[in-house]
Order: sequence, then C-alpha cells, then structure tokens
Amino acid sequence: AQTVTQSQPEMSVQEAETVTLSCTYDTSESDYYLFWYKQPPSRQMILVIRQEAYKQQNATENRFSVNFQKAAKSFSLKISDSQLGDAAMYFCAYRSAATGANSKLTFGKGITLSVRP
Amino acid sequence: DAGITQSPRHKVTETGTPVTLRCHQTENHRYMYWYRQDPGHGLRLIHYSYGVKDTDKGEVSDGYSVSRSKTEDFLLTLESATSSQTSVYFCAISVLTGGSYEQYFGPGTRLTVT
Repeated sequence: AQTVTQSQPEMSVQEAETVTLSCTYDTSESDYYLFWYKQPPSRQMILVIRQEAYKQQNATENRFSVNFQKAAKSFSLKISDSQLGDAAMYFCAYRSAATGANSKLTFGKGITLSVRP
Repeated sequence: DAGITQSPRHKVTETGTPVTLRCHQTENHRYMYWYRQDPGHGLRLIHYSYGVKDTDKGEVSDGYSVSRSKTEDFLLTLESATSSQTSVYFCAISVLTGGSYEQYFGPGTRLTVT
C-alpha cells in the first residue's frame, strides 16, 4: 500500500517571501501521479498542482512549483511571493496510474501554512 | 466548480441514530468517492462507486454503507452513529482533465455525533 508523509504540521512565512512544503511518499509502483491540494478556512478542497511521475520536468502553476525527486520519493511544493490568501492547510496526495478512471487518492496528514503580513 | 453539492452541510445527531449524507453531481461522472477528514489524519477514503449500484470499500469503511441508485447521487449512511464518526465528510468525483483523471471535491459536511 502507498503511504504519504507530511512531517511538518505547521509552517509560517512572511508575505512576499518563498516557502517550501515537504512531502515524501512510499510506493512500489513506477507510474503514478502526485498532487497538492489547498484547503482554506472555507473548507473547500482546491487542486493546486499535479505531477506525473513519468515526467522529469517539474510542474509549475503561476507562483506554485514542485520539486519532484522520484528516486528519493520526495515531492515538495514551493510557493513564491507568498500572499495572505495562501494561508491554508495543504495536503499532498498520491494516485496510482494503474487505476485508470478510478482516481482514488491517498493523502498525507496536511500542513497548516500561515502567512505573516 | 465541478457541479458537486452535498447535503446537509452541517448536522448534529445523537449516538445510535441513523444518518444519511447526500452527494449530488450534475455532470454524469462515473466515479464518486466519500472521504472523511479528521485532525492528524488528512482525508481517508470510506467508500467509492464506479457506476450505478457498483460500489467498493475504502480504508475506513467500517460503520458506513453507501448506495448509488442514480448516476448523479451517491449516498453515505451511518446505520448507528457513534462519537468516533464525528468528522467532516467530503464527496469527490473523478474528472478527466488534461489527459488524466483528477478528483474534484464537494464543499463538505460537518457531522457531530453527541
């Protein structure tokens, strides 16, 4: 079974600075997807970024980028130019590529990010 | 907005009573999921469905049952609620996006069992 570990329960960043959230995972599969979800106080789960394991290039979405290290099974999220609206809980998640349309996810425990003005 | 609604959004119930949570989608997606979110655990899969009347268990299915009689509705039932089932429940659907399937979530239901 796959596991996802987020070892830092909380982090804080100064507005306009850069912060990196860590995630590691364990799997015996070679093809899979990794995700970061954001959950603001509204409780809505918002997909931030996706990484396909077969792609060596790290995914980027505006101020969000990942550092995907397949051999190390590490998947960190970098938030540049942090904004007050980035304050939220962030979840790392894993999905096997073998399940096709069944996109069931395994989540980490989450990390709470606070942004200081 | 993936067209997912959940009802009720909040519910308080007593131990031992049955509770049904509803997830409704408007876009005929085949796969639907129920997760629960608890502090220190992230989100954990309870049950999922891959079509009308086709369901399967997730990692925390004990004490829960599901039903899907129509494509658009996926129901989660707690036959006899316990305090350990106090949680936030999320429904999700699987959507083909950019060549792969991704999950999109409903707004969640906060359930308190007293």
